[in-house]
Amino acid sequence: AQSVAQPEDQVNVAEGNPLTVKCTYSVSGNPYLFWYVQYPNRGLQFLLKYITGDNLVKGSYGFEAEFNKSQTSFHLKKPSALVSDSALYFCAVSPISGGYQKVTFGTGTKLQVIP
Amino acid sequence: GAVVSQHPSWVICKSGTSVKIECRSLDFQATTMFWYRQFPKQSLMLMATSNEGSKATYEQGVEKDKFLINHASLTLSTLTVTSAHPEDSSFYICSARDGQTYEQYFGPGTRLTVT
Repeated sequence: AQSVAQPEDQVNVAEGNPLTVKCTYSVSGNPYLFWYVQYPNRGLQFLLKYITGDNLVKGSYGFEAEFNKSQTSFHLKKPSALVSDSALYFCAVSPISGGYQKVTFGTGTKLQVIP
Repeated sequence: GAVVSQHPSWVICKSGTSVKIECRSLDFQATTMFWYRQFPKQSLMLMATSNEGSKATYEQGVEKDKFLINHASLTLSTLTVTSAHPEDSSFYICSARDGQTYEQYFGPGTRLTVT
């Protein structure tokens, strides 16, 4: 069974500092990896995805994520945090295979950017 | 980009009544739609997967007679919470998968409060 672990319930970072939100995964075969962001009382907004190719993926709002196959990780990063980045972040995984691909979400990490 | 809408965004109903939530893909055809439930400060729990024109596949533990899902067209899926009770109060999020790109897009969510 596939799974996603986000080991930190909350990450606090000062505005202007780099941020990292951690994610590790487990899936049969090659993974299809995603990051989503959720603001209060809102649905999920897509940030970025990895399917194949360059291990460093760039996404929306200046975010990027690095796929590390040996460590089965897909950490979300941003060089300089903004207060407006404060939100709930979800990592997700699905197997790359034909037919139906169930997406499994992590438990979420709350990012708090301190002015 | 692809847009998924949900209606209503917030609904309050009395215990014992039924509530219907609509999920529409506005600019693409969704061969598959997913319904999730999110409890406060928790991750998304997949409730069911629906393919256009066929019966929904429910996850283990989800009552199919209570949460009726209909996917009548390639742009519309509905979730009906029948005989709602206070414990059904939650944030319900749908997502739609583009039949051509296999990208999954999320709706803004519907907050259901059962009094």
